[in-house]
Amino acid sequence: GNSVTQMEGPVTLSEEAFLTINCTYTATGYPSLFWYVQYPGEGLQLLLKATKADDKGSNKGFEATYRKETTSFHLEKGSVQVSDSAVYFCALRLIQGAQKLVFGQGTRLTINP
Amino acid sequence: DSGVTQTPKHLITATGQRVTLRCSPRSGDLSVYWYQQSLDQGLQFLIQYYNGEERAKGNILERFSAQQFPDLHSELNLSSLELGDSALYFCASSGRQGATGELFFGEGSRLTVL
Repeated sequence: GNSVTQMEGPVTLSEEAFLTINCTYTATGYPSLFWYVQYPGEGLQLLLKATKADDKGSNKGFEATYRKETTSFHLEKGSVQVSDSAVYFCALRLIQGAQKLVFGQGTRLTINP
Repeated sequence: DSGVTQTPKHLITATGQRVTLRCSPRSGDLSVYWYQQSLDQGLQFLIQYYNGEERAKGNILERFSAQQFPDLHSELNLSSLELGDSALYFCASSGRQGATGELFFGEGSRLTVL
C-alpha cells in the first residue's frame, strides 16, 4: 500500500541548531511529496512540496529534496528558531485514484531559546 | 487564511448523540476531503467528494456520513457518538492542479464526546 514513515518524535533542539526530520515513503507510481506544518491550535499549512524526482522544495529556510532512489523526502533547516516549534507532517499524494494526501504520523518539534 | 471555513470550531456533546460539521471550500475548488486527527492515530482520511459526488472512501465508520451540496459546501454527519470519536476533524479542498497541487486545510472542528 501507500504509506509515509516519519522520524519518531518529539524532537527538542536549541535555537540556531540544525534540524533534520526524516521521512520515507512507499507508493505505487510516482507521488507528489509535501511537508505540512501545524502550529499550536491551528490547522495544517503547506510548508513545501516537490512533484518529481530530484526536485527541491524550499520555504522559510526549510528544504527537502525528492529522492526517488531512497524513497525519501527529509526536511532540513540550517538554523531553527523558537517560532519553528510545531508539528510537522510529511505526506504523499498519488496521481492515480483518489489523489488524497497520505500522511506520516507527525513529528512534534520544540525549540528552546 | 487558507480560504477553507469550518464550523463549529468547538463542539461538546454526549455519547449517543448526533452532530453535523460543516465545511466551505475555497472559492472554485471542486474537491473536498475530510480527515480525522486523533492523538493516537494521527491524520486519517475519511472521505472525498468531487463536484457533489463521492470520489473516495477511507477509514470512515458506518455511523459517519457526508455529502457535498450543489454550492460545493460539505457536511460530515457523525451519529451514535462514542467517546473514541473525540478528535479534531479537518476539511480540506483542492483546485484544478491535480495531484501536484496542495490541499488547503481549514482550522478544524474539535469534537469532544463526554
